[in-house]
Amino acid sequence: DIQMTQSPSSLSASVGGRVTITCQASQDIKNSLNWYQQKPGKAPKLLIYDASDLETGVPSRFSGSGSGTDFTFTISSLQPEDIATYYCQQCDNLPLTFGGGTKVEIK
Amino acid sequence: QVQLQESGPGLVKPSENLSLTCTVSGGSISTNYWSWIRQPPGKGLEWIGYIYYTGSTNYNPSLKSRLTISVDTSKNQFSLKLNSVTAADTAVYYCARGKYYYISWGQGTLVTVSP
Repeated sequence: DIQMTQSPSSLSASVGGRVTITCQASQDIKNSLNWYQQKPGKAPKLLIYDASDLETGVPSRFSGSGSGTDFTFTISSLQPEDIATYYCQQCDNLPLTFGGGTKVEIK
Repeated sequence: QVQLQESGPGLVKPSENLSLTCTVSGGSISTNYWSWIRQPPGKGLEWIGYIYYTGSTNYNPSLKSRLTISVDTSKNQFSLKLNSVTAADTAVYYCARGKYYYISWGQGTLVTVSP
């Protein structure tokens, strides 16, 4: 199985601040990487697919980059409604696997 | 807008079988892949498997020996059956539309394995 190592596991940032989360795959997954946002008690929501493509309706402050084994997810200007846990997910090889999650809080 | 809704028992005894159904509304099940994902309380996400409307499946090897995913196109539903459950199978179970990434999800249903 491909291991997805996500960091940090938690972070706090100010409203308007920049948030960066990294995800490292245990082997080359090309650009087969997706990012989800999960709020407490809710299902995950797809934000980014294919490493950098923004899902329809997702605000442009969210972005993703990377290829191969190293990926980055960025919130350019953190908003109160962005408080959530974020997960990366690889879809290059089965079984599909997720990162451990990053909990984002307001400082 | 496709909507998904999980249903099934919220409590299952150890060694028994867990059965869940996902009902799809707002669209035909005969147009896509359909998946199950689970999340133990306070933990991360685990991919369970997917099914195509034709019945073709792919399962997580960690669950494959106990798992069956099936589809009923006449009812616009797909189902999960997990045999011989243990406490480690306690989780919120989500159904979702898609094969490799998931745009539409059900709200999730908590299944607790306990005597």
